[in-house]
Amino acid sequence: DADVTQTPRNRITKTGKRIMLECSQTKGHDRMYWYRQDPGLGLRLIYYSFDVKDINKGEISDGYSVSRQAQAKFSLSLESAIPNQTALYFCATSDFGQGNTGELFFGEGSRLTVL
Amino acid sequence: GQNIDQPTEMTATEGAIVQINCTYQTSGFNGLFWYQQHAGEAPTFLSYNVLDGLEEKGRFSSFLSRSKGYSYLLLKELQMKDSASYLCAVDNTNAGKSTFGDGTTLTVKP
Repeated sequence: DADVTQTPRNRITKTGKRIMLECSQTKGHDRMYWYRQDPGLGLRLIYYSFDVKDINKGEISDGYSVSRQAQAKFSLSLESAIPNQTALYFCATSDFGQGNTGELFFGEGSRLTVL
Repeated sequence: GQNIDQPTEMTATEGAIVQINCTYQTSGFNGLFWYQQHAGEAPTFLSYNVLDGLEEKGRFSSFLSRSKGYSYLLLKELQMKDSASYLCAVDNTNAGKSTFGDGTTLTVKP
């Protein structure tokens, strides 16, 4: 089983609908991230959390919200989806700050299409 | 702000050597990462540089010059399975929060 699991893997929805993408991890890492990737582009940070009580906005947080329900769970919500939120979304974890490099461990991605 | 530049596409021949460059201008620097991403898959970690110099890992090496804001990823003895996107990312905050370049799509031809 994957160490970082995202659900759903694929979702098609309509403009205005509320969508939640869920992420769970078994790596025991404190830090969790949500990134978005558009075709031909790199990853852009939406939100990140360094522990359950710490939530921070990334570079493109408008239109998104997050919840860190537990150390192992970090969910991303689109309150009212719009077509330009069609993208591939990645959850990631990191063990930065424990004498490690802070490399990111990614989930398999959630492909979201907003019609 | 942060600016990370990589070539968009590169093509190389199986068995050859290819160098993928990355230049960056960031407000701080706490390390540079290279990730590999096959089409439709998640990125996976390749290398990390925080000090100037070359880090070697099997067929892959990564170089960093902090004074020049420059890194490269060197892939030797190219194989078809090396066809992928290669993402350069900089941790500029000393907080484990990386900013990514747009990636370089490498195509390896027979």
